[in-house]
Amino acid sequence: DVKVTQSSRYLVKRTGEKVFLECVQDMDHENMFWYRQDPGLGLRLIYFSYDVKMKEKGDIPEGYSVSREKKERFSLILESASTNQTSMYLCASHVSGTPNTEAFFGQGTRLTVV
Amino acid sequence: AQSVTQLDSQVPVFEEAPVELRCNYSSSVSVYLFWYVQYPNQGLQLLLKYLSGSTLVESINGFEAEFNKSQTSFHLRKPSVHISDTAEYFCAVTRTGGGNKLTFGTGTQLKVEL
Repeated sequence: DVKVTQSSRYLVKRTGEKVFLECVQDMDHENMFWYRQDPGLGLRLIYFSYDVKMKEKGDIPEGYSVSREKKERFSLILESASTNQTSMYLCASHVSGTPNTEAFFGQGTRLTVV
Repeated sequence: AQSVTQLDSQVPVFEEAPVELRCNYSSSVSVYLFWYVQYPNQGLQLLLKYLSGSTLVESINGFEAEFNKSQTSFHLRKPSVHISDTAEYFCAVTRTGGGNKLTFGTGTQLKVEL
């Protein structure tokens, strides 16, 4: 059974903290994605990675960075957490070069910044 | 660039009634179309997709969607819903020409009531 695993289901962090959200996939996929999900806004792409050490900005990268040191792991970093980053964060992975196939999602990390 | 519009943020319906969730898209290039479903406290999973050929596509749990090129729509329907269909449904598109970036709509919350 294919899996995308996000390290935490729920996180509570303080304003100004550096926050790491971890995502691991076991499908040997080249492409990995971080989305943010907010009510009424759907899923918005923060960053994506086409391969190890490669990254590209998505639609809302401000306040975030990413790291992809190994193929199976894609980390989202909030450099200095703010209350407007309180949200559900979803990681996804996808086989490279196959836009007609399924993207696989993790269960999400609900982050609250206080 | 692509965009997806889901006009209905919430759709309440009684069990065994029919339902239609609307999706319209805009794109200057050809796209693949998807419906993803998110059950409570879970990540997204693929429900069905349109790639080419027959404009009517079906899922294993009784949902169907019809691609209408002239109206740029991909509405999701089910003739008789069940309580277990309560979930959030996302319409998404991606370019056929490469890259796996999905553009999502804002989602429709389907609530099935007894």
